[in-house]
Amino acid sequence: LAKTTQPISMDSYEGQEVNITCSHNNIATNDYITWYQQFPSQGPRFIIQGYKTKVTNEVASLFIPADRKSSTLSLPRVSLSDTAVYYCLVPQDSNYQLIWGAGTKLIIKP
Amino acid sequence: DAMVIQNPRYQVTQFGKPVTLSCSQTLNHNVMYWYQQKSSQAPKLLFHYYDKDFNNEADTPDNFQSRRPNTSFCFLDIRSPGLGDAAMYLCATSRARNEQFFGPGTRLTVL
Repeated sequence: LAKTTQPISMDSYEGQEVNITCSHNNIATNDYITWYQQFPSQGPRFIIQGYKTKVTNEVASLFIPADRKSSTLSLPRVSLSDTAVYYCLVPQDSNYQLIWGAGTKLIIKP
Repeated sequence: DAMVIQNPRYQVTQFGKPVTLSCSQTLNHNVMYWYQQKSSQAPKLLFHYYDKDFNNEADTPDNFQSRRPNTSFCFLDIRSPGLGDAAMYLCATSRARNEQFFGPGTRLTVL
């Protein structure tokens, strides 16, 4: 089964770019990598999803190298409101289930 | 706006007293999920429905049951809540293997 590994926590400051890297050594050939954000006492929220190279949306960018064994979520110019837990997910073999790792607790300081 | 709705947001029950949590969606997604999330932990999948097909995780206790009477609604029944079942319960939906949309969650307290 595919498994994800992320740093448990990260700190940064307002206005900085934050990069969170996730390793997923056993990702299947056709599977996408998905990132979610979760604030305390709320359900997770989809941020971005990608298969290879680079994906960008209005919130973040996702960089995936050619071997797809890792991915990096990039948050440009973070603010205090970006303080949250960020989860990197890949599907399990049985299709509809996503593997939830421990997530990265990101704390943004003023 | 299309969304996933969970009721109630907060539920208090007594030890051993059955409780039902509800989830509804206006997204018309064919897959619905129930997760349990305890403090400072990642969500843990309990089960999911693909249309009417029920899929139970191997380690989900028998104390947890689910019903999906139609596309829009899904219920989580906890037959005999224990203190260890106190958690946030999250409902999510997706269209096949695409991104999952989560509801706000129901926080369950067991006294």
